[in-house]
Amino acid sequence: SAVISQKPSRDICQRGTSLTIQCQVDSQVTMMFWYRQQPGQSLTLIATANQGSEATYESGFVIDKFPISRPNLTFSTLTVSNMSPEDSSIYLCSVSRTGYEQYFGPGTRLTVT
Amino acid sequence: AQSVTQLDSQVPVFEEAPVELRCNYSSSVSVYLFWYVQYPNQGLQLLLKYLSGSTLVKGINGFEAEFNKSQTSFHLRKPSVHISDTAEYFCAVSGGTGANNLFFGTGTRLTVIP
Repeated sequence: SAVISQKPSRDICQRGTSLTIQCQVDSQVTMMFWYRQQPGQSLTLIATANQGSEATYESGFVIDKFPISRPNLTFSTLTVSNMSPEDSSIYLCSVSRTGYEQYFGPGTRLTVT
Repeated sequence: AQSVTQLDSQVPVFEEAPVELRCNYSSSVSVYLFWYVQYPNQGLQLLLKYLSGSTLVKGINGFEAEFNKSQTSFHLRKPSVHISDTAEYFCAVSGGTGANNLFFGTGTRLTVIP
């Protein structure tokens, strides 16, 4: 497994602003991912964070709205840009060493007013 | 592409009673199957996984699941639940060349009644 931390744990933001979420892992991992969990919903993959190159986005998610950085093998950030109330969700990062099971961070609970 | 169906959105059960949470998947390729638990206001914790080998897998907290390829199912079971098992449970599948992409079910809310 892995010890994963996320900052902030929660935030309340005004519409039109941006928030950057950090994900830190206690050891190097091959893969890092970002998910969104809308209220009462399941998880949806936003993108795979690639070390040293642009993230790979899933259908319905674009880089302008969710820019992602991954400067090394233990850290990644997700920015939620130009926020609207529809962006209110829990954002979770996950990691995988094997490419099979993933381990999740505690999540960032975002409320946009 | 893979997909996951969790047939029950909510399952109430009395403390110390057995429980089964159902999960069916669809995939045209070999799959890897997972159950995750999410306690209130927390992230997801891996309960158990099936990658290969024995179809009966045991996980943490006394949970187990059985992979049934012919029925494309991966139901989660516990013989005796505790109050602390109250949580949201997610079944997930990945497979083929996209083993790093998990597809989640919609979740089952397990409520243990004292």
